[in-house]
Amino acid sequence: NAGVTQTPKFRVLKTGQSMTLLCAQDMNHEYMYWYRQDPGMGLRLIHYSVGEGTTAKGEVPDGYNVSRLKKQNFLLGLESAAPSQTSVYFCASNGMTGSQPQHFGDGTRLSIL
Amino acid sequence: GENVEQHPSTLSVQEGDSAVIKCTYSDSASNYFPWYKQELGKRPQLIIDIRSNVGEKKDQRIAVTLNKTAKHFSLHITETQPEDSAVYFCAASKNYKLSFGAGTTVTVRA
Repeated sequence: NAGVTQTPKFRVLKTGQSMTLLCAQDMNHEYMYWYRQDPGMGLRLIHYSVGEGTTAKGEVPDGYNVSRLKKQNFLLGLESAAPSQTSVYFCASNGMTGSQPQHFGDGTRLSIL
Repeated sequence: GENVEQHPSTLSVQEGDSAVIKCTYSDSASNYFPWYKQELGKRPQLIIDIRSNVGEKKDQRIAVTLNKTAKHFSLHITETQPEDSAVYFCAASKNYKLSFGAGTTVTVRA
C-alpha cells in the first residue's frame, strides 16, 4: 500500500518554463490537497479538491492550476514558473469527513532559476 | 480564514525533560486539531490529534490539551529523547481544510 505518491521528487526549471506535478493516492480518499512549504512559514494551502472533477482555491493559488480528472490523481501545474515558486510542494489526502488525518506524500523539491 | 499562531519557534530541552508547544486559533468553528512531526527532508507525519468534543488526549509520552473557550491547544512531550528532535506543526481545521502554524524546531540535547 503506497499511500500518497508524488512525482517527480526533484526538479529544476528556468523562469518561464512550465511543468506538472503529479500526486496519486491509493486509499480511495475523496479530498486531496496541494501545499507549499517555505522556511519559517509552515505549510500553505495552494488548491484542493473535494472529489473527482472538483477543484477550489486555497490560501496561495496565484500562478498555479490544478485538475482532478480521476479520483486517485491530483495534478498541480505551473504555466510560467517564477523564482518565487521555488519551494517544497506536498500533496495530501484524506477521507470523507473533515476530522480525518491528512496523509502526506514525500514532497517535490522545485527550484526555479 | 483561520489563523493559527504557534510558539515558541525554537525549543531546546535536555534529554529527559518535558517540552511544551502552544498554539492559538482564531475561528471558533474549528473542530479538529492535529499535530505533525517533520524530520529534516521528510514528509509531515501525524503524531496525535484531538477533536473539539475532547479536552485532553494522551498517547504514551505525547499529550495534547484543548481549551475551546480560550481557543488554544498545546502539545506536551514528556521524557524527551534524541529522536524527538524535529519540527512540530500544529493545525486547525473547519470542515476539511487545515491551517498550519509556522512550526517549532525542537532540539533535544543529550
